[in-house]
Amino acid sequence: QKEVEQDPGPLSVPEGAIVSLNCTYSNSAFQYFMWYRQYSRKGPELLMYTYSSGNKEDGRFTAQVDKSSKYISLFIRDSQPSDSATYLCAMSSTDSWGKLQFGAGTQVVVTP
Amino acid sequence: DGGITQSPKYLFRKEGQNVTLSCEQNLNHDAMYWYRQDPGQGLRLIYYSQIVNDFQKGDIAEGYSVSREKKESFPLTVTSAQKNPTAFYLCASSSSYQPQHFGDGTRLSIL
Repeated sequence: QKEVEQDPGPLSVPEGAIVSLNCTYSNSAFQYFMWYRQYSRKGPELLMYTYSSGNKEDGRFTAQVDKSSKYISLFIRDSQPSDSATYLCAMSSTDSWGKLQFGAGTQVVVTP
Repeated sequence: DGGITQSPKYLFRKEGQNVTLSCEQNLNHDAMYWYRQDPGQGLRLIYYSQIVNDFQKGDIAEGYSVSREKKESFPLTVTSAQKNPTAFYLCASSSSYQPQHFGDGTRLSIL
Protein backbone atom coordinates (compact mmCIF):
# COMPACT_ATOMS: atom_id res chain seq x y z
CA GLN A 1 0.00 0.00 0.00
CA LYS A 2 1.30 3.44 -0.94
CA GLU A 3 1.81 6.04 1.77
CA VAL A 4 -0.18 8.60 -0.24
CA GLU A 5 -3.22 7.69 -2.34
CA GLN A 6 -4.67 9.95 -5.00
CA ASP A 7 -7.30 9.18 -7.62
CA PRO A 8 -5.63 9.51 -11.06
CA GLY A 9 -8.81 10.71 -12.79
CA PRO A 10 -9.31 12.12 -15.34
CA LEU A 11 -11.74 14.49 -13.68
CA SER A 12 -13.75 16.44 -16.23
CA VAL A 13 -15.72 19.54 -15.19
CA PRO A 14 -17.44 22.36 -17.08
CA GLU A 15 -15.95 25.84 -16.98
CA GLY A 16 -17.06 27.74 -13.87
CA ALA A 17 -17.61 24.63 -11.75
CA ILE A 18 -15.80 23.83 -8.50
CA VAL A 19 -13.01 21.29 -8.81
CA SER A 20 -12.60 19.06 -5.77
CA LEU A 21 -9.40 17.04 -5.34
CA ASN A 22 -8.25 14.92 -2.44
CA CYS A 23 -5.51 12.66 -1.10
CA THR A 24 -5.44 10.18 1.74
CA TYR A 25 -2.33 9.14 3.61
CA SER A 26 -1.27 6.56 6.16
CA ASN A 27 1.65 8.16 8.02
CA SER A 28 0.36 10.10 11.03
CA ALA A 29 3.74 11.87 11.31
CA PHE A 30 3.10 13.96 8.19
CA GLN A 31 2.90 17.64 9.12
CA TYR A 32 3.71 19.51 5.88
CA PHE A 33 1.22 19.34 3.04
CA MET A 34 1.55 20.75 -0.45
CA TRP A 35 -0.42 20.89 -3.68
CA TYR A 36 1.38 21.26 -6.99
CA ARG A 37 0.01 21.86 -10.48
CA GLN A 38 1.82 20.28 -13.42
CA TYR A 39 1.21 21.09 -17.05
CA SER A 40 2.26 18.60 -19.71
CA ARG A 41 6.05 18.45 -20.23
CA LYS A 42 6.63 20.98 -17.44
CA GLY A 43 7.80 20.80 -13.83
CA PRO A 44 5.35 20.95 -10.93
CA GLU A 45 4.40 24.43 -9.74
CA LEU A 46 3.60 25.02 -6.06
CA LEU A 47 0.00 26.07 -5.48
CA MET A 48 -0.60 25.69 -1.76
CA TYR A 49 1.47 24.91 1.33
CA THR A 50 -0.05 24.05 4.70
CA TYR A 51 1.51 23.13 7.98
CA SER A 52 -0.47 20.79 10.26
CA SER A 53 -4.28 21.00 10.21
CA GLY A 54 -6.71 23.62 9.05
CA ASN A 55 -7.75 25.55 5.99
CA LYS A 56 -5.85 27.94 3.76
CA GLU A 57 -7.25 30.10 1.02
CA ASP A 58 -5.42 31.84 -1.83
CA GLY A 59 -7.55 33.42 -4.51
CA ARG A 60 -9.62 30.69 -6.19
CA PHE A 61 -7.78 27.92 -4.33
CA THR A 62 -8.61 26.48 -0.90
CA ALA A 63 -6.59 23.76 0.80
CA GLN A 64 -7.92 21.74 3.71
CA VAL A 65 -6.09 19.33 6.00
CA ASP A 66 -7.89 16.90 8.30
CA LYS A 67 -5.19 15.08 10.23
CA SER A 68 -7.66 13.06 12.28
CA SER A 69 -8.93 11.45 9.06
CA LYS A 70 -5.55 11.58 7.29
CA TYR A 71 -7.21 13.40 4.41
CA ILE A 72 -6.31 16.54 2.48
CA SER A 73 -8.31 18.43 -0.12
CA LEU A 74 -7.88 21.14 -2.73
CA PHE A 75 -10.82 23.12 -4.09
CA ILE A 76 -10.64 25.29 -7.18
CA ARG A 77 -13.51 27.74 -7.55
CA ASP A 78 -14.70 29.24 -10.84
CA SER A 79 -12.59 26.78 -12.81
CA GLN A 80 -11.09 27.90 -16.13
CA PRO A 81 -9.80 25.91 -19.12
CA SER A 82 -6.30 27.07 -18.07
CA ASP A 83 -6.77 25.01 -14.87
CA SER A 84 -6.59 21.85 -17.00
CA ALA A 85 -3.50 20.10 -15.66
CA THR A 86 -2.37 17.32 -13.36
CA TYR A 87 -2.57 18.14 -9.65
CA LEU A 88 -0.14 16.46 -7.28
CA CYS A 89 -0.39 16.30 -3.52
CA ALA A 90 2.80 15.96 -1.50
CA MET A 91 3.59 15.70 2.18
CA SER A 92 6.39 15.14 4.65
CA SER A 93 7.12 14.78 8.33
CA THR A 94 9.26 17.03 10.53
CA ASP A 95 11.94 14.35 10.85
CA SER A 96 12.08 13.87 7.07
CA TRP A 97 10.97 17.28 5.89
CA GLY A 98 12.94 17.12 2.64
CA LYS A 99 11.72 13.66 1.69
CA LEU A 100 8.38 14.44 0.14
CA GLN A 101 5.92 11.64 -0.51
CA PHE A 102 3.83 12.35 -3.60
CA GLY A 103 0.47 11.14 -4.75
CA ALA A 104 0.28 9.82 -8.30
CA GLY A 105 -1.53 12.98 -9.45
CA THR A 106 -5.08 13.69 -10.65
CA GLN A 107 -5.61 14.85 -14.22
CA VAL A 108 -8.19 17.63 -14.42
CA VAL A 109 -9.91 18.71 -17.64
CA VAL A 110 -12.00 21.90 -17.61
CA THR A 111 -14.19 22.09 -20.70
CA PRO A 112 -15.35 25.45 -22.11
CA ASP B 1 14.83 35.85 -12.74
CA GLY B 2 15.39 33.42 -9.88
CA GLY B 3 14.74 29.82 -10.65
CA ILE B 4 15.92 26.33 -11.42
CA THR B 5 17.40 25.51 -14.81
CA GLN B 6 17.58 21.94 -16.06
CA SER B 7 19.40 20.99 -19.22
CA PRO B 8 19.06 19.51 -21.71
CA LYS B 9 15.29 19.28 -22.15
CA TYR B 10 15.63 16.04 -24.13
CA LEU B 11 18.42 13.47 -23.90
CA PHE B 12 19.04 10.17 -25.60
CA ARG B 13 21.21 7.41 -24.16
CA LYS B 14 22.85 4.56 -25.98
CA GLU B 15 23.27 1.16 -24.38
CA GLY B 16 26.19 1.07 -21.96
CA GLN B 17 26.53 4.83 -21.87
CA ASN B 18 26.53 7.14 -18.85
CA VAL B 19 24.72 10.46 -19.24
CA THR B 20 24.69 13.51 -16.98
CA LEU B 21 21.73 15.79 -16.39
CA SER B 22 22.40 19.33 -15.30
CA CYS B 23 20.56 21.26 -12.58
CA GLU B 24 21.44 24.82 -11.57
CA GLN B 25 19.58 27.11 -9.14
CA ASN B 26 20.01 30.78 -8.28
CA LEU B 27 17.52 30.83 -5.41
CA ASN B 28 20.24 30.51 -2.76
CA HIS B 29 18.58 27.32 -1.50
CA ASP B 30 20.62 24.96 0.65
CA ALA B 31 18.80 21.77 -0.32
CA MET B 32 18.50 20.20 -3.77
CA TYR B 33 16.71 17.07 -4.97
CA TRP B 34 16.38 14.74 -7.94
CA TYR B 35 13.15 12.95 -8.76
CA ARG B 36 12.08 10.53 -11.41
CA GLN B 37 8.55 10.68 -12.81
CA ASP B 38 6.96 7.76 -14.65
CA PRO B 39 3.40 7.74 -16.00
CA GLY B 40 0.86 7.02 -13.27
CA GLN B 41 3.46 6.74 -10.50
CA GLY B 42 3.98 10.26 -9.24
CA LEU B 43 7.45 11.46 -8.31
CA ARG B 44 10.04 9.22 -6.70
CA LEU B 45 13.11 10.57 -4.92
CA ILE B 46 16.49 9.53 -6.34
CA TYR B 47 19.00 11.59 -4.33
CA TYR B 48 18.95 14.70 -2.20
CA SER B 49 21.53 17.06 -0.73
CA GLN B 50 20.97 19.41 2.18
CA ILE B 51 24.42 21.02 2.15
CA VAL B 52 27.41 21.27 -0.16
CA ASN B 53 29.62 18.16 -0.34
CA ASP B 54 26.96 15.98 1.27
CA PHE B 55 24.10 13.96 -0.23
CA GLN B 56 21.85 11.04 0.67
CA LYS B 57 20.17 8.27 -1.27
CA GLY B 58 16.46 8.50 -1.83
CA ASP B 59 14.07 5.66 -2.53
CA ILE B 60 15.42 4.64 -5.94
CA ALA B 61 19.15 5.52 -5.99
CA GLU B 62 20.42 2.36 -7.67
CA GLY B 63 21.98 3.10 -11.06
CA TYR B 64 22.35 6.83 -10.37
CA SER B 65 25.09 9.04 -8.94
CA VAL B 66 25.30 12.71 -7.93
CA SER B 67 27.77 15.32 -6.74
CA ARG B 68 27.32 18.60 -4.88
CA GLU B 69 30.50 20.63 -5.20
CA LYS B 70 28.73 23.98 -5.37
CA LYS B 71 25.60 25.27 -3.67
CA GLU B 72 24.08 26.20 -7.03
CA SER B 73 24.65 22.93 -8.84
CA PHE B 74 23.50 19.32 -8.37
CA PRO B 75 24.20 17.19 -11.48
CA LEU B 76 22.73 13.70 -11.81
CA THR B 77 24.51 10.92 -13.71
CA VAL B 78 22.41 8.05 -15.04
CA THR B 79 24.83 5.15 -15.28
CA SER B 80 24.73 2.10 -17.52
CA ALA B 81 23.69 0.13 -14.42
CA GLN B 82 20.25 1.77 -14.58
CA LYS B 83 18.43 -0.72 -16.76
CA ASN B 84 15.23 1.25 -17.22
CA PRO B 85 16.29 4.89 -17.49
CA THR B 86 13.51 6.16 -19.74
CA ALA B 87 11.63 8.72 -17.64
CA PHE B 88 11.08 12.41 -16.93
CA TYR B 89 13.70 13.68 -14.47
CA LEU B 90 12.93 16.62 -12.23
CA CYS B 91 15.28 18.69 -10.08
CA ALA B 92 14.04 20.72 -7.13
CA SER B 93 15.45 22.97 -4.44
CA SER B 94 14.28 24.42 -1.14
CA SER B 95 15.23 26.26 2.01
CA SER B 96 14.84 24.54 5.36
CA TYR B 97 11.22 23.59 6.14
CA GLN B 98 10.02 25.39 3.02
CA PRO B 99 8.30 23.82 0.02
CA GLN B 100 10.34 22.58 -2.89
CA HIS B 101 10.44 24.42 -6.20
CA PHE B 102 11.00 22.52 -9.41
CA GLY B 103 12.73 22.95 -12.72
CA ASP B 104 11.06 22.05 -16.02
CA GLY B 105 12.64 18.64 -16.29
CA THR B 106 14.74 16.55 -18.66
CA ARG B 107 13.15 13.76 -20.67
CA LEU B 108 15.56 10.85 -21.10
CA SER B 109 15.02 8.18 -23.73
CA ILE B 110 16.94 5.13 -24.89
CA LEU B 111 18.24 4.89 -28.47
